[in-house]
Amino acid sequence: EAGVAQSPRYKIIEKRQSVAFWCNPISGHATLYWYQQILGQGPKLLIQFQNNGVVDDSQLPKDRFSAERLKGVDSTLKIQPAKLEDSAVYLCASSGGGDSYNEQFFGPGTRLTVL
Amino acid sequence: TQLLEQSPQFLSIQEGENLTVYCNSSSVFSSLQWYRQEPGEGPVLLVTVVTGGEVKKLKRLTFQFGDARKDSSLHITAAQPGDTGLYLCARRGAGSYQLTFGKGTKLSVIP
Repeated sequence: EAGVAQSPRYKIIEKRQSVAFWCNPISGHATLYWYQQILGQGPKLLIQFQNNGVVDDSQLPKDRFSAERLKGVDSTLKIQPAKLEDSAVYLCASSGGGDSYNEQFFGPGTRLTVL
Repeated sequence: TQLLEQSPQFLSIQEGENLTVYCNSSSVFSSLQWYRQEPGEGPVLLVTVVTGGEVKKLKRLTFQFGDARKDSSLHITAAQPGDTGLYLCARRGAGSYQLTFGKGTKLSVIP
């Protein structure tokens, strides 16, 4: 079974530029999550989708971050404009709900550096 | 607000040694998960603990959930270089599948 795919793996941009990340979850997984992991910290949830609808985006900085999952499969996360403090690894995870604890499977992440 | 405290933050040991890392909270967990994250990769689930006092073993790893379900520990016996990584604990939100992670313990096992 293929895992969660993310691209690009690395991205370097200057502040005030825009950037987009792409995630392809495990086939059949209805729930998709985007996390931000700043160096030295654990992942922090930014947004959760159930199919193509948003379940929770309370921690998403909506003035600069946006995310979509139009067809309920792939998802993109965009930052516009980027700030220095956005430097982090952006992790995508998916879960299928097949077990009672809804195990999340993580992709390898996109490491963003904002200069 | 940091709901989960993990200690120690960093740990460097020699191959063959034993170690324990901790995850604590002031509030009760409905369930707790432990993940390992290797450099350049996403976290991978190791175990889920649910019942107070529960002990689970995964080869050389032993996970314990405190009786009051406010703390958990991970003990590694005879650590190997392949155990190197960031160990994260995470709790589920009440009534949801969302996870809140601690900051993690960064373990280095020196050959």
